[in-house]
Amino acid sequence: SQTIHQWPATLVQPVGSPLSLECTVEGTSNPNLYWYRQAAGRGLQLLFYSVGIGQISSEVPQNLSASRPQDRQFILSSKKLLLSDSGFYLCAWTSSGANVLTFGAGSRLTVL
Amino acid sequence: QKEVEQNSGPLSVPEGAIASLNCTYSDRVSQSFFWYRQYSGKSPELIMSIYSNGDKEDGRFTAQLNKASQYVSLLIRDSQPSDSATYLCAVSRSGGGSYIPTFGRGTSLIVHP
Repeated sequence: SQTIHQWPATLVQPVGSPLSLECTVEGTSNPNLYWYRQAAGRGLQLLFYSVGIGQISSEVPQNLSASRPQDRQFILSSKKLLLSDSGFYLCAWTSSGANVLTFGAGSRLTVL
Repeated sequence: QKEVEQNSGPLSVPEGAIASLNCTYSDRVSQSFFWYRQYSGKSPELIMSIYSNGDKEDGRFTAQLNKASQYVSLLIRDSQPSDSATYLCAVSRSGGGSYIPTFGRGTSLIVHP
C-alpha cells in the first residue's frame, strides 16, 4: 500500500533563517506531488505541484521554492523565512492521471 | 481567479440531526468535486468525490452536484459528535498533465450531544 511521509512535524524558526521540508511517497511510482499551505483561519493554498522529476509548477509567487530530485521525493525550501511564512504545510500526492489527493501528516511552521 | 466559496460557520447541529454543508465555485470547466474532513491540528482526509450532476450516497454522507448552478453540497445524516470537524470543499481542473485541486476555506461543523 502507498504511504506518504512528511517531516519535520513541527519547527520554530527565526525570521531570515532557511527552511527545508521534505516529503516522500512509498509504494507507487511517478506520482503527482503537491505542496499546500494552510495559514491560521484560512483555506488550503496550493504552492507548488510536480508531475515528474525536475518538473515544478508554481501557483503563487513567494519566497519559497520546491524541488523534486527523485521520483518520490518533494522538497519545499526557503533561503530566508518571513513572519508570513508561518502555517501548516501539507504535502499531498495523487497517482498519475488521478485526482484524489492523499495528504501527509503536515509540518507546522512557526516563524518568530 | 478561480474560487471556491464556503460559509466558514460554525454550523452547530444537535446529535442525530442532518448537517447541510454548501459550496459554490467559479470555474465552469471544473471537472471533479470533493469533500474532505479535517480535524483540528490534523491533515485533511477524503470523504466523498462526485463527478456528475445529481446525488451520490455513501453511508451517512450524500454529496450533491449541480454544475449549471456551480453548486456542491454535503449532507450528513444522523450527525454524531465525532463528525465535529472542518469540512473542505475542493474543485479540480486539469492542467499541465495534472489535476489542480482548489480548496475552499472550509466550514466548521459542531455536533453537540
